[in-house]
Amino acid sequence: NAGVTQTPKFRVLKTGQSMTLLCAQDMNHEYMYWYRQDPGMGLRLIHYSVGEGTTAKGEVPDGYNVSRLKKQNFLLGLESAAPSQTSVYFCASSPGWVYEQYFGPGTRLTVT
Amino acid sequence: RKEVEQDPGPFNVPEGATVAFNCTYSNSASQSFFWYRQDCRKEPKLLMSVYSSGNEDGRFTAQLNRASQYISLLIRDSKLSDSATYLCVVNNAGNMLTFGGGTRLMVKP
Repeated sequence: NAGVTQTPKFRVLKTGQSMTLLCAQDMNHEYMYWYRQDPGMGLRLIHYSVGEGTTAKGEVPDGYNVSRLKKQNFLLGLESAAPSQTSVYFCASSPGWVYEQYFGPGTRLTVT
Repeated sequence: RKEVEQDPGPFNVPEGATVAFNCTYSNSASQSFFWYRQDCRKEPKLLMSVYSSGNEDGRFTAQLNRASQYISLLIRDSKLSDSATYLCVVNNAGNMLTFGGGTRLMVKP
């Protein structure tokens, strides 16, 4: 039972490049989330999904897109990376809003 | 005012000490409250949920004060392994969870 996995673990991008972060969960959870964590800012919700085929904007969605084509996967895309997107990105899943969220190990992204 | 505020610390305490953290929240309609623990360069993990009546799990006690809009976490008999960042989490309008910036605890021998 792997829980929540994220790929890649580390990535360095140049400004303007694009990339996709993959999140996978094997707990059959309906809800999945993408957060970013910056020093002193706490975790901020980027986008979330309440089920396969659905997505919604969180607190800081600009510059990101997401897709949930399969229940177990949640993809986060950066179409044109900017230095302000340098951060640690965490994916999480849960059975519902008020339940414990299980986090992946994170992806450290640097945009130069 | 931030939606969820925590003292960033660090709180430096000796082994065996009792330490308490508070967290204030701005939305009086919030219904769900949690404490998560995050070790350095690791993902957050749920420490405990916070119920209206308060709850205890071993050395950890969580309390909710709705009138003053804060939650607290008390750690008794601190261990070296308790060193971590403790995140206060509150569900706000729209059913989103809002994370505080975290309080860093360092337990010294």
